[in-house]
Amino acid sequence: EDKVVQSPLSLVVHEGDTVTLNCSYEVTNFRSLLWYKQEKKAPTFLFMLTSSGIEKKSGRLSSILDKKELSSILNITATQTGDSAIYLCAGMLIQGAQKLVFGQGTRLTINP
Amino acid sequence: DAGVIQSPRHEVTEMGQEVTLRCKPISGHNSLFWYRQTMMRGLELLIYFNNNVPIDDSGMPEDRFSAKMPNASFSTLKIQPSEPRDSAVYFCASSQWGTDTQYFGPGTRLTVL
Repeated sequence: EDKVVQSPLSLVVHEGDTVTLNCSYEVTNFRSLLWYKQEKKAPTFLFMLTSSGIEKKSGRLSSILDKKELSSILNITATQTGDSAIYLCAGMLIQGAQKLVFGQGTRLTINP
Repeated sequence: DAGVIQSPRHEVTEMGQEVTLRCKPISGHNSLFWYRQTMMRGLELLIYFNNNVPIDDSGMPEDRFSAKMPNASFSTLKIQPSEPRDSAVYFCASSQWGTDTQYFGPGTRLTVL
């Protein structure tokens, strides 16, 4: 069964700290890994990773994929209270079509 | 550009009633996905369509759930009869065929009493 596991499930840090969120996947016919941020509403897209070892960066957020270890990390530096959200990781399968398998998410809380 | 549009945003109904959720994908997107999100099970794919055709409905929990996509700009997810365990947030997402990024609508929060 295809599975995506995230850790930790919950994380509380102080503003200004750096955090690392982890995602591991067991996905047959793996194609790519996606990160989403979910605040109170819908998940919003952050990154899509297809190649191992190539970092994707957007402001204070960055992510990298390790296909050998079947894992990915999402880093957030100089955290702000606005970074508080649930971060979702999802594996994309090739099954003649697109199918995302989501992890259970990491709930990140940034305290001022 | 308008994103994915869902209606209603909130629905409260009684057990046994029929519930219909609606979705309008982003214009030009030809893949549409219905997800359900609960605290216990997280975000689960229910069904997805490509070019209005259902491709994979293996995530649909049981026969009480059905989904249709009569045209490229509209889809419905119907639950009949509804049960309290169907209470969840239902998301619709769309993407362009061949791309991996899915864009989510605001969701419908369903409460079945």
